Parts: sequence; structure tokens; C-alpha cells
Amino acid sequence: EIVMTQSPVTLSVSPGERASLSCRASQSASTNLAWYQHKPGQAPRLLIYGASTRATGIPARFSGSGSGTEFTLTISSLQSEDFAVYYCQQYNRPPLTFGGGTKVEIQ
Amino acid sequence: QVQLVQSGPEVKKPGASVKVSCKASGYTFDSYGITWVRQAPGQGLEWMGWISTYNGNTNFVQRFQGRVTMTTDASTNTVYMELRSLGSDDTAMYYCARGSPLLPLDYWGQGTLVTVSP
Repeated sequence: EIVMTQSPVTLSVSPGERASLSCRASQSASTNLAWYQHKPGQAPRLLIYGASTRATGIPARFSGSGSGTEFTLTISSLQSEDFAVYYCQQYNRPPLTFGGGTKVEIQ
Repeated sequence: QVQLVQSGPEVKKPGASVKVSCKASGYTFDSYGITWVRQAPGQGLEWMGWISTYNGNTNFVQRFQGRVTMTTDASTNTVYMELRSLGSDDTAMYYCARGSPLLPLDYWGQGTLVTVSP
């Protein structure tokens, strides 16, 4: 099983600032890595797939990078609607494991 | 548009079974697998397994082996997930999502809350 580790657990950021979220895989996930945004009371939303491709309708302020075992999600200028929990997931090999999540909160 | 609509909330007693449905629309049903993900209260997302809507093949997380069944009904574009021998730690929101190994989870159902309580 590929273990996904996200850091930090919580990130306190002011609106308009830049946020960088990290995700590490215990084995190579190639570029089969996705990022999801999850808000309370809603279903998760796909942001990034293929490590760096934005999903349909996702604003350009969201970007992803990395391959193999190290991945990063960057939000260039945080908007109020971006405060949420973010999960990475490898879909390279079953079981398709999620990281523990990073909560982005208002500073 | 692509939609996944799940069945309503369930309350079950310990030891019982629950069957959650996920009805797909807006795309060719057998072109994409369906994955089940759950989130226990205060916890993160947990991938449970997936089913191929093309041939019914399944793959589950080891800890659910023998306790979970996933089936597909092509006549109604519906996927079912049954979880047996429920315990309190199965209390969670259960989501279905379109996707499978080598594909991301691009559309999600609204979630089904399953509560296990004596």
C-alpha cells in the first residue's frame, strides 16, 4: 500500500496570501496524483489530476506540481472560498490511498 | 451533465447490514468505474474500493474484504455498496465517485450518512 503523508496538518493564511501544501508518497505514484478540496456539508471536489492538470472549472490560482513521491499544491492568492480541507490521493495502484488532509484556515 | 445521486441516510444497529445505492446519469455508464469513499466523524477520507461497471470486477481495501459487496445494475445505471456486520466505527458519510485505478475521482455523489447505534 502506498502511504500518503500531507503537511502541514493545519495552515493559517490571510486572504490574498499564497499557500503551499505538500504531499509525499511512500512509493512512486508517477504522476497519478490528484488534489481534492473538501468543505463541510459538501462532497469533495476534484481540483488537480495528473499532478498538475486543473480540472474543469478550477480557477488558475490553483496549481499542482511534482512527480514520483513529492507533490505540491499551490494556491497563489487565497480567496475566502478557498478555506477548506485539501486531500491528495494517489490513483496509481490500488488501494488508492488518500493523505490525511491539510486544513487551510483563516489567520 | 454528469450526476451521481445516492440513497438517503440510514440508521442501523450493530451487527446489521446497510446497502447504499448510487445512480449515475449524464454519461455512458460502463465507460467509468465507480469508487466508494467514506469519512468517519472528524476523520479524513478513506478509499474503500471500486467496481468496474463494464465487467463487475472489484477491488477492496483489505480490511473490508469479506464484509463489503459492490454490485452494478446496468439496466438502471446504478451501483450498490453493501457493508455487513456493522460496528460503531462504521458510522460515517459514504460517498460514491466516478473513477478507478489510473483515473481521478472527477464527479461525486452527495454522500449518504450511515449511523450505527444500539
